[in-house]
Amino acid sequence: DAGVIQSPRHEVTEMGQEVTLRCKPISGHNSLFWYRQTMMRGLELLIYFNNNVPIDDSGMPEDRFSAKMPNASFSTLKIQPSEPRDSAVYFCASSGTGGSGNTEAFFGQGTRLTVV
Amino acid sequence: DAKTTQPTSMDCAEGRAANLPCNHSTISGNEYVYWYRQIHSQGPQYIIHGLKNNETNEMASLIITEDRKSSTLILPHATLRDTAVYYCIVISNTGKLIFGQGTTLQVKP
Repeated sequence: DAGVIQSPRHEVTEMGQEVTLRCKPISGHNSLFWYRQTMMRGLELLIYFNNNVPIDDSGMPEDRFSAKMPNASFSTLKIQPSEPRDSAVYFCASSGTGGSGNTEAFFGQGTRLTVV
Repeated sequence: DAKTTQPTSMDCAEGRAANLPCNHSTISGNEYVYWYRQIHSQGPQYIIHGLKNNETNEMASLIITEDRKSSTLILPHATLRDTAVYYCIVISNTGKLIFGQGTTLQVKP
């Protein structure tokens, strides 16, 4: 398996533009997580899905952020409109948790977003 | 999910064992202790996890105290490539993975 695949690896956009980050989890995994990492705030959990259903989105900073998981093999994180303070590295992770705490999560390489 | 407390930073000499402590005094019976590490600019990497018993794999050993209120991650022969931020996380059956600030381990030649 190729692991968790994120695209793009780097994104530079202008303030006000829409940004869509993509994630392909590991096949067979049923939990998917989106994180944001900055120097100031560290690794923050934004949202996580179980069996394609959003379970906890309390970490989503505001309405400009939205995440979807239309099927078990694809998820998107959208920011509209983007702002300079959204600049960060965004990580996607998946696990075969399925309601158990006994399965490790695997992370993608991240998308480095810069909003100018 | 229980909160964890780790030292902010530690140093270790190359070739020596690195012992990274973690306190999780509010852990409950069905919560697991996980360790991840993040090498600069990469995604976090799973290292090891356990519930009650000590665990060992090809990367590290995990020692959990009998009362489960603390644990220690042991890298038996640290190398320069083990320089990273190490996160201790307690996870319930929700599977929700929350990262704290972690311990920055610097392995020195």
